[in-house]
Amino acid sequence: EAGVTQFPSHSVIEKGQTVTLRCDPISGHDNLYWYRRVMGKEIKFLLHFVKESKQDESGMPNNRFLAERTGGTYSTLKVQPAELEDSGVYFCASSQLTGGSLETQYFGPGTRLLVL
Amino acid sequence: AQSVTQLGSHVSVSEGALVLLRCNYSSSVPPYLFWYVQYPNQGLQLLLKYTSAATLVKGINDFEAEFKKSETSFHLTKPSAHMSDAAEYFCAVSYPGNQFYFGTGTSLTVIP
Repeated sequence: EAGVTQFPSHSVIEKGQTVTLRCDPISGHDNLYWYRRVMGKEIKFLLHFVKESKQDESGMPNNRFLAERTGGTYSTLKVQPAELEDSGVYFCASSQLTGGSLETQYFGPGTRLLVL
Repeated sequence: AQSVTQLGSHVSVSEGALVLLRCNYSSSVPPYLFWYVQYPNQGLQLLLKYTSAATLVKGINDFEAEFKKSETSFHLTKPSAHMSDAAEYFCAVSYPGNQFYFGTGTSLTVIP
């Protein structure tokens, strides 16, 4: 079974440009999460989709970040325009709906974004 | 608010020595607890999880962790370090249906 995949693995862009990150969750996983790790700090939650709906987007830093999950399959996270502080590793995770019991989140390898 | 503290951003051990990576959480209600490992250029991989059953949890590659409510701790141990254990380790807490809260990570170096 394929795991969570993310594309691209690395991205280097200039301040003011736009970047779009993609995440393909494990097939059948309705929960999809985005996290970000700024260098040297903890991995922080950005948002949570249940199927195509945003369940919780409390972690999104500002309105330069836009996440979508059309059709409830893959998700994209767009940063427009990118700023220096957006640099970091963006992780995607997915899990099955468990009806309130414990879920295990499966993580992708991350996209390393560097804004110059 | 929940938080997770991992003491020691870098830990070095000799091959064959005991591995001890510390994790403390702050929560009024015991959460679910996880340890993840990230090998170079790979994603986060689940090592083990605590789900309020047994307090001593065994995971992959001979890692284990013990939940101690009185100390609000969930330290990760392995009796004998291997070179292949060199990686970054993350402790995380969660409640069902909710986001994960991660610690800052501990980078483990194994010295031959």
